[in-house]
Formats: sequence, C-alpha cells, structure tokens
Amino acid sequence: QKEVEQNSGPLSVPEGAIASLNCTYSDRGSQSFFWYRQYSGKSPELIMSIYSNGDKEDGRFTAQLNKASQYVSLLIRDSQPSDSATYLCAVTYTGGFKTIFGAGTRLFVKA
Amino acid sequence: DTGVSQNPRHKITKRGQNVTFRCDPISEHNRLYWYRQTLGQGPEFLTYFQNEAQLEKSRLLSDRFSAERPKGSFSTLEIQRTEQGDSAMYLCASAGPGTGELFFGEGSRLTVL
Repeated sequence: QKEVEQNSGPLSVPEGAIASLNCTYSDRGSQSFFWYRQYSGKSPELIMSIYSNGDKEDGRFTAQLNKASQYVSLLIRDSQPSDSATYLCAVTYTGGFKTIFGAGTRLFVKA
Repeated sequence: DTGVSQNPRHKITKRGQNVTFRCDPISEHNRLYWYRQTLGQGPEFLTYFQNEAQLEKSRLLSDRFSAERPKGSFSTLEIQRTEQGDSAMYLCASAGPGTGELFFGEGSRLTVL
C-alpha cells in the first residue's frame, strides 16, 4: 500500500467548473496535510495546508480533511486555464516532520 | 528573503562519476529536505535535517547517496558512482520552526550518460 495515494488523472474540467482532487494516506497518526501545485518544468509550490477535520477555505480553494477516513481533498471553484497543473498531496508523518508526497493528479482546465 | 537556492541547476555526467549538489535554504528555516523526482511522479523523500542533525534517511536510498548539513546552514547531497537510474530532478526544500510547510528550490537536474 502506497503511503499517499492520488488518482493520477488527467482530470479535465471546463473553465468555470469545480475541480475535485482526492488523496488518501496510510499513517493514521498524521497531523499535517498539504496541497502543492506544480506547473510543468517547475518546482512544487504550497497552496493549502490543513491540520484539523473539516473544511478550510482560501479564495477559490477549499481543502477538506477527514482523519477517520484518512482522506484529504482539494476543491477548486471557478476553475481557470491557469489552474492547469499537477496537484500534489503531502502528509507529514507522526512524531516528526518527514513529509511524503503522492504521485500527483494532473488537472486540465479547458477554455 | 532570497528563497531556496540550488546549484548547479543542471549536471550531465558519465556513469560511475561522483556528483555533488548544494542547497542554501531560506535563512531562518531550521529544517532542510532533499527529494528526488522523475517524470510523472511525485517528489520521493530522500532525507531531512533539523539544524545540523540528519533525522531520517529513506530506506530506499542506497549507500551511494550521502547528505550533510554542516553548521545547520547549507546542505550538500553527494551521489557516488552514478548510475543511469540516478537521472532525475533533485529538489531541496526548507521549512521554518514548528511548521511542515515546505518551500522548494528550483531543483538540480541530473543526467547520467
């Protein structure tokens, strides 16, 4: 079982739609969860962090965390072509700051 | 704040040679991470430091890989006797005290011929 699992996609949505990205993780004791965006040929950049169950909103982005189900998701509202990128889910392991990434989900937003 | 700096940005080497990459983290960050990324994959954890202490190293990492962070500032990642399978982007990231939010450098791309 992979430590952090994501659907590799590609996920294709029309401009203006909601994009929904999902992630599951194996370490039940993990406390910190992150979403990074990576454009082709660039390094990952942090877009959201979430630490407690529920929703966290930042502009067009909403992160959702369900620790009981070991599930993290990212919603992107009013998707724009500039949102086309790979979205990486990352989880920090219990008892330290070792951070493990999923393989990423490629998102395409069609104009 | 100049961000995370990595050098060299590109390295082409022949199989069997040794290579070394350097990472300068954001100045107030006490943790520094090394990852390896290949096309279509997420960053693969290699190792991380808190100040000068190397706290964890991936079990997948062979003995040909070594990392140091003398004095808790910059870090170096050395790969000895390179193999073609080592070709990848090597990413460095740093994080401030008490936070897991990582800030990445632009990466060092290694090509082993």
